[in-house]
Amino acid sequence: AQTVTQSQPEMSVQEAETVTLSCTYDTSESDYYLFWYKQPPSRQMILVIRQEAYKQQNATENRFSVNFQKAAKSFSLKISDSQLGDAAMYFCARRSGRDNTDKLIFGTGTRLQVFP
Amino acid sequence: NAGVTQTPKFQVLKTGQSMTLQCAQDMNHEYMSWYRQDPGMGLRLIHYSVGAGITDQGEVPNGYNVSRSTTEDFPLRLLSAAPSQTSVYFCASSYLLRTDTQYFGPGTRLTVL
Repeated sequence: AQTVTQSQPEMSVQEAETVTLSCTYDTSESDYYLFWYKQPPSRQMILVIRQEAYKQQNATENRFSVNFQKAAKSFSLKISDSQLGDAAMYFCARRSGRDNTDKLIFGTGTRLQVFP
Repeated sequence: NAGVTQTPKFQVLKTGQSMTLQCAQDMNHEYMSWYRQDPGMGLRLIHYSVGAGITDQGEVPNGYNVSRSTTEDFPLRLLSAAPSQTSVYFCASSYLLRTDTQYFGPGTRLTVL
């Protein structure tokens, strides 16, 4: 099965500190896309960052960056200078390119708590 | 710009009742999909569509029907609701390219008694 695994059900971080959320995935494809989505209590799914598998350079969006290790099939999210508003569920997802069906496969999520 | 809209936001059904969850997008996206979110299981794909008139099954299609008569709308039908269908349902859309991000609606919380 083509799966996405988030091994940390919950994480916590002090405000202004840095936290890393882990994600590993399984795929037989060479070209695919990886995403981190944030889901606050409002339930809205918000895209945080995306990474194209063919790109060597790790994606960065302001305080959010990824550590993409293609050979290890690892895609971790680093949040720097954590803020109270970062508290949410975070989902890692891989977009399947097989048959051009564009399916998103999600991990089970990591709940991030941010303490003042 | 409305983006992806879903109605209703909340719904309570009795076992055996039928209903339709509405999803619409105004971004001219070819690809639309329905996911359900259950505690501890992430989001799972129910059905998807790559264009008007074309639909296909995802990971958990049983008990749900879809149709895509227009590019904008992608309703999800529960023919005979069961308690196992209690969940939060998300609609998403994107252009039909692997490079494009999927945009999600605000979700519908459905409870089946």
